[in-house]
Amino acid sequence: KNEVEQSPQNLTAQEGEFITINCSYSVGISALHWLQQHPGGGIVSLFMLSSGKKKHGRLIATINIQEKHSSLHITASHPRDSAVYICAVRVGGADGLTFGKGTHLIIQP
Amino acid sequence: EAGVAQSPRYKIIEKRQSVAFWCNPISGHATLYWYQQILGQGPKLLIQFQNNGVVDDSQLPKDRFSAERLKGVDSTLKIQPAKLEDSAVYLCASSLGYTNEQFFGPGTRLTVL
Repeated sequence: KNEVEQSPQNLTAQEGEFITINCSYSVGISALHWLQQHPGGGIVSLFMLSSGKKKHGRLIATINIQEKHSSLHITASHPRDSAVYICAVRVGGADGLTFGKGTHLIIQP
Repeated sequence: EAGVAQSPRYKIIEKRQSVAFWCNPISGHATLYWYQQILGQGPKLLIQFQNNGVVDDSQLPKDRFSAERLKGVDSTLKIQPAKLEDSAVYLCASSLGYTNEQFFGPGTRLTVL
């Protein structure tokens, strides 16, 4: 069974700061997902990656397969980025996702 | 394109009662997932369908939970009888296939009293 650990659990930062959220997992995977969940809202998929780096707007996701580690970065953070960010992994092709507990991010104006 | 639809959005029941949730995935999505998210935790996969067949239900408490996906489109998840620890948000998600991005519905928040 894959264990997915995220850090930090909670993060409060000022608007404009560079944000980094980390995710570590215990066994080899076929893909890693980063998702965003707003309070009372549904979950939105941000990235799905199996190697290297992906960028979308102010969000950047990286993964190091050898170290079993991924990071999600937010540049020029904004209060609307306040949400829970969840890391999830898939081991085999047909397996369901195993989720971390999430990182609760608050960006203050 | 319409997203994943779920109903009801909220449900309050007493323990030992029964409850059912409904999910309509994005048109053309072969894979459908039901997740349970307890407050403060990440979602946990309950069951995964590929068309109308079950791919993974290893974490589904089969003594009280059941799910079906008739005709490979809509799906229902049932709890009978409910326990206090079933209080959670039940999320439905769909994807084109196993390796594709998952799209999530708004969830059903269940409170068991």
